[in-house]
Amino acid sequence: DAKTTQPPSMDCAEGRAANLPCNHSTISGNEYVYWYRQIHSQGPQYIIHGLKNNETNEMASLIITEDRKSSTLILPHATLRDTAVYYCIVRFDSGNTPLVFGKGTRLSVIA
Amino acid sequence: DGGITQSPKYLFRKEGQNVTLSCEQNLNHDAMYWYRQDPGQGLRLIYYSQIVNDFQKGDIAEGYSVSREKKESFPLTVTSAQKNPTAFYLCASSMYRSSYEQYFGPGTRLTVT
Repeated sequence: DAKTTQPPSMDCAEGRAANLPCNHSTISGNEYVYWYRQIHSQGPQYIIHGLKNNETNEMASLIITEDRKSSTLILPHATLRDTAVYYCIVRFDSGNTPLVFGKGTRLSVIA
Repeated sequence: DGGITQSPKYLFRKEGQNVTLSCEQNLNHDAMYWYRQDPGQGLRLIYYSQIVNDFQKGDIAEGYSVSREKKESFPLTVTSAQKNPTAFYLCASSMYRSSYEQYFGPGTRLTVT
């Protein structure tokens, strides 16, 4: 699976959009980009995933660049409950290959 | 409610003792996973199982053992051979051939002294 690079930490004001970047310059054509988050002392939670096109669900939007070498997770209106570690993961979507977690980005939403 | 149960939430053991962590799911998922997390670090894969009676080693399997006798259960044994067993242990599961979303349990925090 391709490696990802994320900033170790970010701050965001409550109510503003949180934009979390991820670099995956060695991604191959059939590898997906996944985002999970982990609130302190809990299990990670799936947020969103995508291959080429931008994706949106009730939690977030995922913007993938045209060359697929980087992506951005957008939380449109961050709340204090969005404070967590966010993991960007790249992997093949074939069967049940396990997720490979890096250290992620620690997002702090500030009132 | 469907989900993954891990018990207990906190576990304390003396060095040299084996300890078994429980993981049960009622999601009818085929695949189950065990991860370990140390403070300030990401999750590392210990073992995973794609079907009953079959499992594969992950990146840090040494000192651990698992069994998968039932679809809904995937217990992890931390043996005395594991040199640094104190950690946060997370169990997860996913559907076979639709594995984009792994569901995680609440975790067990093991402290060995």
